[in-house]
Amino acid sequence: DTAVSQTPKYLVTQMGNDKSIKCEQNLGHDTMYWYKQDSKKFLKIMFSYNNKELIINETVPNRFSPKSPDKAHLNLHINSLELGDSAVYFCASSPGLKAGGETQYFGPGTRLLVL
Amino acid sequence: DAKTTQPPSMDCAEGRAANLPCNHSTISGNEYVYWYRQIHSQGPQYIIHGLKNNETNEMASLIITEDRKSSTLILPHATLRDTAVYYCIVVLNYGGSQGNLIFGKGTKLSVKP
Repeated sequence: DTAVSQTPKYLVTQMGNDKSIKCEQNLGHDTMYWYKQDSKKFLKIMFSYNNKELIINETVPNRFSPKSPDKAHLNLHINSLELGDSAVYFCASSPGLKAGGETQYFGPGTRLLVL
Repeated sequence: DAKTTQPPSMDCAEGRAANLPCNHSTISGNEYVYWYRQIHSQGPQYIIHGLKNNETNEMASLIITEDRKSSTLILPHATLRDTAVYYCIVVLNYGGSQGNLIFGKGTKLSVKP
């Protein structure tokens, strides 16, 4: 069983479209994250949620809106896609706000290409 | 910005030990040292973490100097599948808002036959 899964694996779309990426974890973790890895391979945190509540919201355009329907899911919706949004988006989860809680488990990534 | 410094690349012969250094001279007393790796096109993978003492698990060993200003990740018998970018990260170990991971450029380890 895949611990952290993301769908879709690949996403090719036109500028201006709205798209969503889904993430699910079956590890029973409290905290989930979205990271973006750009073409230069830098991996940066975008958001984190703990028990469905937003904790971290780095400097990300408000076209990006995370949604956590329950502890096991954290979806990322992107409005009005731009060329610069092309990247690999990774979801991760961790046990949460307790000692040892920083071991994060990553999904396989969603490769987004905006044309 | 990442609080760690790592060499950009290293080579290792298959079957030999790979020793990956990391400098974290500004580490504070309650920050842990974490190591992750990213094999090409995959999500980062947790390897090991430690605070003060040396740690060992089924994947690797972590040696932290007494002053905690540097550490070394040791892969005892490197295989071709260990070729990856290795990230050394210091983080408060409380999860959530206290401990989001800040990835630097890492060390690209190439294991050669």
